[in-house]
Formats: sequence, C-alpha cells, structure tokens
Amino acid sequence: ETGVTQSPTHLIKTRGQQVTLRCSSQSGHNTVSWYQQALGQGPQFIFQYYREEENGRGNFPPRFSGLQFPNYSSELNVNALELDDSALYLCASSKGQGVAYEQYFGPGTRLTVT
Amino acid sequence: RKEVEQDPGPFNVPEGATVAFNCTYSNSASQSFFWYRQDCRKEPKLLMSVYSSGNEDGRFTAQLNRASQYISLLIRDSKLSDSATYLCVVRWGTGANNLFFGTGTRLTVIP
Repeated sequence: ETGVTQSPTHLIKTRGQQVTLRCSSQSGHNTVSWYQQALGQGPQFIFQYYREEENGRGNFPPRFSGLQFPNYSSELNVNALELDDSALYLCASSKGQGVAYEQYFGPGTRLTVT
Repeated sequence: RKEVEQDPGPFNVPEGATVAFNCTYSNSASQSFFWYRQDCRKEPKLLMSVYSSGNEDGRFTAQLNRASQYISLLIRDSKLSDSATYLCVVRWGTGANNLFFGTGTRLTVIP
C-alpha cells in the first residue's frame, strides 16, 4: 500500500451535476497530482498542486478545478458533469514537484456519469 | 501525435515464455522513463525506471533508445502473476513533474 487514500471509491452522478473527489497524500509528501483514466486508456494529467498552489495543468477545461489544504490533502472538483467525464480518477502524491520525485498513486475513485 | 504510443495488445503468452513490449515517445526533450504495471481496476504501480544504459530487475529488462525515441520491456520466464496492463510512462519539463502515459499493453499469461 502506498499510503495515498482516496474517497469515495465509487460514485454515480447525472449529467450537469457537480462532484468533489478527495485525496489524502502519503505522510511527508507535499505535492499531489490528479489524473483521469478513461476505460482502455492510460491516465491523463489534469493538474498538480504543490504547497497549496496549482503547479501545472493538463488539457482539461476550467470546469475541472482543485484545491490543496495545509495538510497537503487535495480535492478535485468537476462542475457541469458530462458523460465523457466517466472515468477512474487517480491522485498521486510525491515528496516534491521536481522530476526526481517518484509519484505514488492512490486506489482511485471510479466516477460514472449517467 | 500522442506523446507516448504503445501497442495495446492483447498479448497472450504461455507460462515460461519471453515477451517484449515497445513504446515510442514524441518529445525528444523527455527526461525520465518508466514502466508501470496496472492490474485490473487497480491503480498503476511503478515497475521499474528505465535508464540509458539499460537496467534489469530479476526477470524484467528495460531498455531506452534515445536516438530512436523508444523504450522496451522484456519479461523472461513469464508467470501467471505477470498478467496485467503495462504502461509506458515518460516525463519531461520543469515545474510540474507530471507523467505522460501510454494507453498500456495488456498481457495475459496462460497456464
């Protein structure tokens, strides 16, 4: 186990709704990255938070937003849900933002949008 | 063009076989290279980093060819427990250390 936890494990929402996913980073880690993994695809980078600031963003629209808290846990918020948002959402924590730091993944939240 | 491209498979091999996966990447400035393993409905887990000199970890050997921009993974003496999806992963740039994943290659080892 990596020590990275995510909640909830599964979630079903309807189109147009909003969702908040949560991630607790491994002890000693100050950086959290979020990824979206659609069925049959590899994970796609959404954004990264380092010491409570957004530190890089992938090709996702503004309705995907996030937060990082002083204890380095993080939230991913998605507004105006679309069917294509159905995916496994993974968070990964690391000791820092630099390329030398390995990322450790949580078990993911499986979101289904109907 | 995708940042990282892999043959999705599936690869179905008998126990004891040797199997190889290749992956190509588009950004010549890529700095770090990895193979991750992902079991069905689980999170990706780091299998091994890939170094320019090539590296080996037991039955697994990874190679990097920067000139041709491809990475390979060789699995010898396949076990049933090797059945999983193998993700080729590349990282570049400064700042956010985000990872670029291929779509994964699915391996099934058959008894």
